[in-house]
Amino acid sequence: ETGVTQTPRHLVMGMTNKKSLKCEQHLGHNAMYWYKQSAKKPLELMFVYNFKEQTENNSVPSRFSPECPNSSHLFLHLHTLQPEDSALYLCASSQEVLRRMNTEAFFGQGTRLTVV
Amino acid sequence: AQKITQTQPGMFVQEKEAVTLDCTYDTSDPSYGLFWYKQPSSGEMIFLIYQGSYDQQNATEGRYSLNFQKARKSANLVISASQLGDSAMYFCAMREGKRGNNDMRFGAGTRLTVKP
Repeated sequence: ETGVTQTPRHLVMGMTNKKSLKCEQHLGHNAMYWYKQSAKKPLELMFVYNFKEQTENNSVPSRFSPECPNSSHLFLHLHTLQPEDSALYLCASSQEVLRRMNTEAFFGQGTRLTVV
Repeated sequence: AQKITQTQPGMFVQEKEAVTLDCTYDTSDPSYGLFWYKQPSSGEMIFLIYQGSYDQQNATEGRYSLNFQKARKSANLVISASQLGDSAMYFCAMREGKRGNNDMRFGAGTRLTVKP
């Protein structure tokens, strides 16, 4: 039990489908993140939310749409994905204090997404 | 540009021996934090150890220690007395002060295999 729960753990979807990934954290943190982990590539930061406000979008295609209704929940809405979007999508949370460097991120177990 | 470099795609170590995983980084920000994470086959990222750029001493956490050489911009992870359960992917990450404290960037990772 990591305190950060992601559902589903595995997802197979067609290129015309619409699906959503869900992340929930039970740690009382105020920042949440989406990362993409592809084979043989470093983890890529996709989106950051601080106190429900999006503070970073790392040039992510619009077929990925994040939503943060409250500081405990984070969604990643997916539509018209491509096969190259197949990856492990990791959610993380942290307790952010302005300009403190040592706040580690706590990760969920990820959603293994396959686009067919 | 890649800020975090892990030059060892894979490492092997005999059980009960020590192993060093390399990490070099690049930043012009005097304030930054360095993190090491472990990712077992289950997928979740587990925080191991943190080193701040202004910390005078090398960080230690149980069997994990960080060999921090600031002038060389390296932050190698040392695992002592390796156990079979240490087999996993290991990622080095950095958070820079000037980019704010939400942007944690990861290296490509090193796959460690502990042999019995």
